[in-house]
Amino acid sequence: QSALTQPASVSGSPGQSITISCTGTSSDVGGNNYVSWYQQHPGKAPKLMIYDVSNRPSGVSTRFSGSKSGNTASLTISGLQAEDEANYYCSSYTTSSSVFGGGTKLTVL
Amino acid sequence: QVQLVQSGAEVKKPGASVKVSCKASSYTFTSYGISWVRQAPGQGLEWMGWISAYNGNTNYAQKLQGRVTMTTDTSTSTAYMELRSLSSDDTAVYYCARTNRLRWNWFDPWGQGTLVTVSS
Repeated sequence: QSALTQPASVSGSPGQSITISCTGTSSDVGGNNYVSWYQQHPGKAPKLMIYDVSNRPSGVSTRFSGSKSGNTASLTISGLQAEDEANYYCSSYTTSSSVFGGGTKLTVL
Repeated sequence: QVQLVQSGAEVKKPGASVKVSCKASSYTFTSYGISWVRQAPGQGLEWMGWISAYNGNTNYAQKLQGRVTMTTDTSTSTAYMELRSLSSDDTAVYYCARTNRLRWNWFDPWGQGTLVTVSS
């Protein structure tokens, strides 16, 4: 199973909004509604931010939102804050495995 | 709060095996599954497989089939991941994560990670 495609890096200024894309195929992203997103700060374990395309776990800021169109899922972070600077990974369920994206480094300028 | 605590760092020689433990607390262990994910130095995340603590079913990543075994001990709420025939390519931080008991569609929370170094 090939990795999902994410941009290597994105950046934005405090208060702005950014969107990270995650492109797969009809066998993964496009084939179900089981896309999730993870935030990982350096040296730390990943943290679930969005599950099942657009659901936010309890405790995750409402500034984080997810969506999907066809084979591409997206994570949007509004009102950027310095603490949002991290690596972000998407993941998609398939009937045989789970596949991750290569990761996107978010820089808050 | 829900917590997964993993065993400590390991150093292994090529060809050896490693077994990492993941002890769960503050939730009903058998109502969920456990997935294992690894991260090589400076690299992204790689899903290794899943075990349902509910019924013991497993599903392993194709590239690791035959080398990995995932088990659970429901009496101690602990999951284990054993990886055999280690090579330098297996050097990574290994994470366990709670997941759905029927499918591997989300991972939350994650353990703190266990660094496995394979070196002669």
